[in-house]
Amino acid sequence: GAVVSQHPSRVICKSGTSVKIECRSLDFQATTMFWYRQFPKQSLMLMATSNEGSKATYEQGVEKDKFLINHASLTLSTLTVTSAHPEDSSFYICSASRRGTNYGYTFGSGTRLTVV
Amino acid sequence: AQTVTQSQPEMSVQEAETVTLSCTYDTSESNYYLFWYKQPPSRQMILVIRQEAYKQQNATENRFSVNFQKAAKSFSLKISDSQLGDTAMYFCAFQTTSGTYKYIFGTGTRLKVLA
Repeated sequence: GAVVSQHPSRVICKSGTSVKIECRSLDFQATTMFWYRQFPKQSLMLMATSNEGSKATYEQGVEKDKFLINHASLTLSTLTVTSAHPEDSSFYICSASRRGTNYGYTFGSGTRLTVV
Repeated sequence: AQTVTQSQPEMSVQEAETVTLSCTYDTSESNYYLFWYKQPPSRQMILVIRQEAYKQQNATENRFSVNFQKAAKSFSLKISDSQLGDTAMYFCAFQTTSGTYKYIFGTGTRLKVLA
């Protein structure tokens, strides 16, 4: 149980275009989802926290107009990178918290974004 | 603010041997959770072990165990009988029990198991 599906696993887009990444909890209701960015050989950097039905809370230094997060249902959260630039190229990972429990968050498999 | 420190950027261990990865943290809270996550080359984050701060007993999961020293704010991971599949990045994570319940990750330790 506790599977989080993240798509796409890899995406290449042109500079100036937008890219949407989906994160779905397949067998549980995720009240909270987290979005991270990970640079090569570095730790995970929390970008934002999203709660179902409310606006996401962004970490300091993360542009909310550039990284749009939507958590419209208890099983789906999306991250849209708008007007992508090469410096947005990175590995993005989501994680989800099961409602009413605290047994550790389940992570998606990540999305490698390359902006050319 | 809470911080998590992993002072060993890289470690190696011979197959079948035992290795200990260190993690220290700083917090003023009395109740929280601590985790070790493994990130193999596939980059999938996998939960290795979990410890609740109010429990004195050290958590154990098969070949993985922790040495939780609350007063010293230390949370080390011991891997026994190391296997080639244990080769990965290991991240220590602190989770508060208030607010957003977000994780604070350490910088990671890259572990290589040698045949």
